[in-house]
Amino acid sequence: QLQLQESGPGLVKPSETLSLTCTVSGGSISSSSYYWGWIRQPPGKGLEWIGSIYYSGSTYYNPSLKSRVTISVDTSKNQFSLKLSSVTAADTAVYYCARHIPSPPGIAAAGTPWGAFDIWGQGTMVTVSS
Amino acid sequence: AIQLTQSPSSLSASVGDRVTITCRASQGISSALAWYQQKPGKAPKLLIYDASSLESGVPSRFSGSGSGTDFTLTISSLQPEDFATYYCQQFNSYPTITFGQGTRLEIK
Repeated sequence: QLQLQESGPGLVKPSETLSLTCTVSGGSISSSSYYWGWIRQPPGKGLEWIGSIYYSGSTYYNPSLKSRVTISVDTSKNQFSLKLSSVTAADTAVYYCARHIPSPPGIAAAGTPWGAFDIWGQGTMVTVSS
Repeated sequence: AIQLTQSPSSLSASVGDRVTITCRASQGISSALAWYQQKPGKAPKLLIYDASSLESGVPSRFSGSGSGTDFTLTISSLQPEDFATYYCQQFNSYPTITFGQGTRLEIK
């Protein structure tokens, strides 16, 4: 079955760039049905959507993070990646990658290509500290 | 941006109880809502998608309802494994996605 696995440094210095990769196994990231996303969760707090990507490279970002976020896809490696620049302690969180299921017609606003997140990675803790 | 407000923020209940958690959207979101369960140290698990569709493998004691701005997650008879934190999430305001603040369900 499809599995997602996050990887990357667990410690990043303030002002530097956080880089994580999500490897998809048991299925193809190039499936036309699915979008792929990043979500984070600061310690003891709730979930925050960071952004999502389609295999074609189309990206969508949380407006509050947009100026610092880049999400990319490498279909040859069945991976997608997250870069978050100029990090501060507020970016300390567990970072999850996840797959969107499609949104059937009539469920969401016209043109919405994605739905809920049905498969999640286990998450990776990233601490921002000097 | 669409805000989601869950109530209550925390809840104490006993095994066998019927429990309802509410999620209210700041504007109409059709049926573009999902519910997740999260246990400590684990990734969220999808329970309900498209407001009322039960994810495969999820026990039938979980159900979702609502459309527009008001949604509910109901657990018909609480089991010990159901004590967790629950989140709603909307995906109507393409291209942005938001989560509710969470509801912590504790054992009474």
